[in-house]
Amino acid sequence: DGGITQSPKYLFRKEGQNVTLSCEQNLNHDAMYWYRQDPGQGLRLIYYSQIVNDFQKGDIAEGYSVSREKKESFPLTVTSAQKNPTAFYLCASRQYRSSYEQYFGPGTRLTVT
Amino acid sequence: AQTVTQSQPEMSVQEAETVTLSCTYDTSESDYYLFWYKQPPSRQMILVIRQEAYKQQNATENRFSVNFQKAAKSFSLKISDSQLGDAAMYFCAYRSEGSGSRLTFGEGTQLTVNP
Repeated sequence: DGGITQSPKYLFRKEGQNVTLSCEQNLNHDAMYWYRQDPGQGLRLIYYSQIVNDFQKGDIAEGYSVSREKKESFPLTVTSAQKNPTAFYLCASRQYRSSYEQYFGPGTRLTVT
Repeated sequence: AQTVTQSQPEMSVQEAETVTLSCTYDTSESDYYLFWYKQPPSRQMILVIRQEAYKQQNATENRFSVNFQKAAKSFSLKISDSQLGDAAMYFCAYRSEGSGSRLTFGEGTQLTVNP
């Protein structure tokens, strides 16, 4: 089945540690996105990538980094510089230059203590 | 920059009744897309309905329909014959054709369906 996978579903880290969230898609989509969701708020864009080896900052990129070495993969690293990293993180993908919507993965809940 | 506003943090409806969720947006663009996504307790984002700004006809998907008023920049979602499974957080989202076709989301409306 085609879709987007995010692993793990729950992730716990100590403050000061970097952590990488996985996002893989087998939909052959060109564009991929990372969003952050906090309680009572909508999704906010962290980073997005339209093609391999290229990515752009979203609205809240500070303290995060990404890479796009393969079309299928778009990992997100939450660095120790992110002041409030505990949140729910959603990955999405979309066929670029199409009218279709973004498809979302199941999300990763990150808790940093 | 575009903004999306959902003025109803919470709504409730009786099973089998109709409910309307409100959404307004601000943009200077003429071509764009609008979406309603549903997020149930599983937190999986599910597309409910999509509207292209160039289409005057309101989109409809089974029990879900929209009232798209382009001049007023309004995009409300009507759920008819509400079911218990409709209970979820609903997000309105705007997508422009520039800036990587990114989505801008509203803050969401929590819908409760009472039996």
